[in-house]
Amino acid sequence: DGGITQSPKYLFRKEGQNVTLSCEQNLNHDAMYWYRQDPGQGLRLIYYSQIVNDFQKGDIAEGYSVSREKKESFPLTVTSAQKNPTAFYLCASSITPTGYDTGELFFGEGSRLTVL
Amino acid sequence: GQSLEQPSEVTAVEGAIVQINCTYQTSGFYGLSWYQQHDGGAPTFLSYNGLDGLEETGRFSSFLSRSDSYGYLLLQELQMKDSASYFCALDPGNTPLVFGKGTRLSVIA
Repeated sequence: DGGITQSPKYLFRKEGQNVTLSCEQNLNHDAMYWYRQDPGQGLRLIYYSQIVNDFQKGDIAEGYSVSREKKESFPLTVTSAQKNPTAFYLCASSITPTGYDTGELFFGEGSRLTVL
Repeated sequence: GQSLEQPSEVTAVEGAIVQINCTYQTSGFYGLSWYQQHDGGAPTFLSYNGLDGLEETGRFSSFLSRSDSYGYLLLQELQMKDSASYFCALDPGNTPLVFGKGTRLSVIA
């Protein structure tokens, strides 16, 4: 079955620790995205990548870092510089960068990060 | 930039029809999408309007009016399983989708 796999589903970390969230897709999609979701805030874009070895900052990139070394993988690192990291993180992909088709994003099941 | 406004909550009766509105501000865009998200789950794509007018997909329909900067999602024959959050999203064309804050729909018996 094709899809997007995020891991871990739940993660706890202490303040001052970096943590990396995994996102893998086997849909052969070019574009991948990371969104953060907080209650009542909708989905806010952290980073996105339209092609391997290239990525751009989204609206709330501060305190986060990403890499795109393979087409299938787009891991997100939440660094200690992120002041309020407790949130639900969603990874998504699309066949092409938005604007070239229906704009459909395929989402993973999310990773819920809690900072203790 | 782009911004979207949706009602935060809507309640409707099982079997009824409900309309979730979305107004937006943008200097240009390719289309308006709608996504459904159940609590704790992943958002799933419902519909896309690239042109003005109504798009129908089963019990769900979506409408776009560029002249009014307005769109809506229409859900017919509501079922309890339709209780979820619904997001409208603008496709700017050269950058990723911009999402509204979502509307939480509660379907009651």
